[in-house]
Amino acid sequence: DGGITQSPKYLFRKEGQNVTLSCEQNLNHDAMYWYRQDPGQGLRLIYYSQIVNDFQKGDIAEGYSVSREKKESFPLTVTSAQKNPTAFYLCASSIVGGYPDTQYFGPGTRLTVL
Amino acid sequence: AQKVTQAQTEISVVEKEDVTLDCVYETRDTTYYLFWYKQPPSGELVFLIRRNSFDEQNEISGRYSWNFQKSTSSFNFTITASQVVDSAVYFCALINAGGTSYGKLTFGQGTILTVHP
Repeated sequence: DGGITQSPKYLFRKEGQNVTLSCEQNLNHDAMYWYRQDPGQGLRLIYYSQIVNDFQKGDIAEGYSVSREKKESFPLTVTSAQKNPTAFYLCASSIVGGYPDTQYFGPGTRLTVL
Repeated sequence: AQKVTQAQTEISVVEKEDVTLDCVYETRDTTYYLFWYKQPPSGELVFLIRRNSFDEQNEISGRYSWNFQKSTSSFNFTITASQVVDSAVYFCALINAGGTSYGKLTFGQGTILTVHP
């Protein structure tokens, strides 16, 4: 089945630790995205990548880092510099064409800082 | 800059009632795309519909229908004969077709819909 997988589903982190959230897709999509969702709010874009080895900051990139070494994978690292990392993180992907295409989402990772 | 507003934070209905979720958007681009996503309790966002700015035809898919009106910058979503399984958070979103906003989805705050048996 084609789709987007995110792991782990739940993640607990101690203050001062870096953690990496995994996102993998087998849809053959070129573009991948990371969003953050806080309770009662919409999603906000952290980073996105439209091609391997290239990525751009979104609206709230501070305290996060990404890499795009493979087309299928776009891991997100939440660093200790992120002041309020507890949130629900969603990964998405889309094709890249002459116009913005539909973004399809993974099941999400819920991160809690203890 | 673009903005999406979903003024209804929460809506509660009884099964079989019709319900309309409002979405108002702001953008300076003439070419853009509008989306609705459903987020059930499991958390995953499920794509429902995509509409481009040049297509103002209303769309119906089963119990779902969408009313796009450029004159009022609105893209409202109606569920007819609601069911308990429709209970979820619904998001309206906008993406511009060019410039520096390419690839960036702007989401509304979401509307929590609860359908009671």
